[in-house]
Amino acid sequence: DIQMTQSPTTLSASVGDRVTITCRASQSVRTWLAWYQQKPGEAPKLLMYKASTLQSGVPSRFSGSGSETEYTLTVSSLKPDDFATYYCQQYNSYPWTFGQGTKVEI
Amino acid sequence: QVQLQESGPGLVRPSQTLSLSCTVSGVSISDGNYYWTWIRHLPGKGLEWIGHIYYTGFTNYNPSLKSRVFMSIDTSKNRFSLNLSSVTAADTAIYYCARDNRGTQDNWGQGTLVTVSS
Repeated sequence: DIQMTQSPTTLSASVGDRVTITCRASQSVRTWLAWYQQKPGEAPKLLMYKASTLQSGVPSRFSGSGSETEYTLTVSSLKPDDFATYYCQQYNSYPWTFGQGTKVEI
Repeated sequence: QVQLQESGPGLVRPSQTLSLSCTVSGVSISDGNYYWTWIRHLPGKGLEWIGHIYYTGFTNYNPSLKSRVFMSIDTSKNRFSLNLSSVTAADTAIYYCARDNRGTQDNWGQGTLVTVSS
């Protein structure tokens, strides 16, 4: 299985901050990498796929980059609605695997 | 719009079989562009992909669960199902069904908590 490791585990930030979350894969996932946002009591929501393609309806303050084994999700200016837990997921090879999550909190 | 809704018992006894269904609306489950997925969120841990099923019945399962998992699909009811046998407390989790769009899960059910306890 491909192991996905996110950092940091928890990120303390304020409204208006620029934040970056990193996801590292134990082997190359060739940009077959997605990002999800999950709020308490809700299902995860797809934000980004193919490492850097924004899902329809997702605000442009979210961006993604990376290649091979290292990927980042950046929020250019945090809004109150962005405080949540973020997960990366690889879909390069079965079984699909997720990172352990990064909680963005105030 | 696409909606998925999980249903099934919230409490399962140890060693029994966990059975959940996911009813899909807004899209035909026979649409060949998608797979239909089960994912679980283990308490205090992250998300675990259980597996997915195509409308033809073709499946891919997580090897860590493969010996206990069975998925089925009923195109006439636009529904797919999960069976997980020989459950233990370690299977207590929120179970989600989702639509797999070329590897990404672009639509999710609200999730259902399943507790394994005697």
